[in-house]
Amino acid sequence: ETGVTQTPRHLVMGMTNKKSLKCEQHLGHNAMYWYKQSAKKPLELMFVYNFKEQTENNSVPSRFSPECPNSSHLFLHLHTLQPEDSALYLCASSQDRGGAQYFGPGTRLLVL
Amino acid sequence: EDKVVQSPLSLVVHEGDTVTLNCSYEVTNFRSLLWYKQEKKAPTFLFMLTSSGIEKKSGRLSSILDKKELFSILNITATQTGDSAVYLCAVEVRVGFGNEKLTFGTGTRLTIIP
Repeated sequence: ETGVTQTPRHLVMGMTNKKSLKCEQHLGHNAMYWYKQSAKKPLELMFVYNFKEQTENNSVPSRFSPECPNSSHLFLHLHTLQPEDSALYLCASSQDRGGAQYFGPGTRLLVL
Repeated sequence: EDKVVQSPLSLVVHEGDTVTLNCSYEVTNFRSLLWYKQEKKAPTFLFMLTSSGIEKKSGRLSSILDKKELFSILNITATQTGDSAVYLCAVEVRVGFGNEKLTFGTGTRLTIIP
């Protein structure tokens, strides 16, 4: 266990559904991240939060909406997704904005 | 655009062999290079390298960085089936004051045959 948990671990949703992914870190870190991992592609950074403030949005479509209520919790709200959004969504945290990032187990998302 | 390239893309060896995985990069404002192991889902942190020529070691795994030639290698000696995984290389770059970002390679898939 890395101290970063994600729920759900698997999610199947239709294109008209609304769902949320949750991430929680128990490491006392200040920065949290959302990544997308598609087959045969490098991890793509989506969002970064540092001390609950969003510091980066990597040109992510508005159908993905992050929320960071405190330094330990991070959400990714999903609505009207497309089949090409099917991927593994990984959450990570680091002590500060820089240095080693520790990853959660990911949510495997399938959009039908 | 920052680029991280890993080679080989995949590697199959027998248990007990030694393997060397490569990572080369072209980035601006280099800060550090990190290696991760990804077995099923969560990438797990292995090493972080910031200085050239200093080897980091953990058991049978070791890694070294060459900042002049812009590459790093990850060595695994006496491989075991539990070493089968995708090994990810990531380069941390500074994108602004107090702002760093990781750029990942596509990974090397290592398979150890018993």
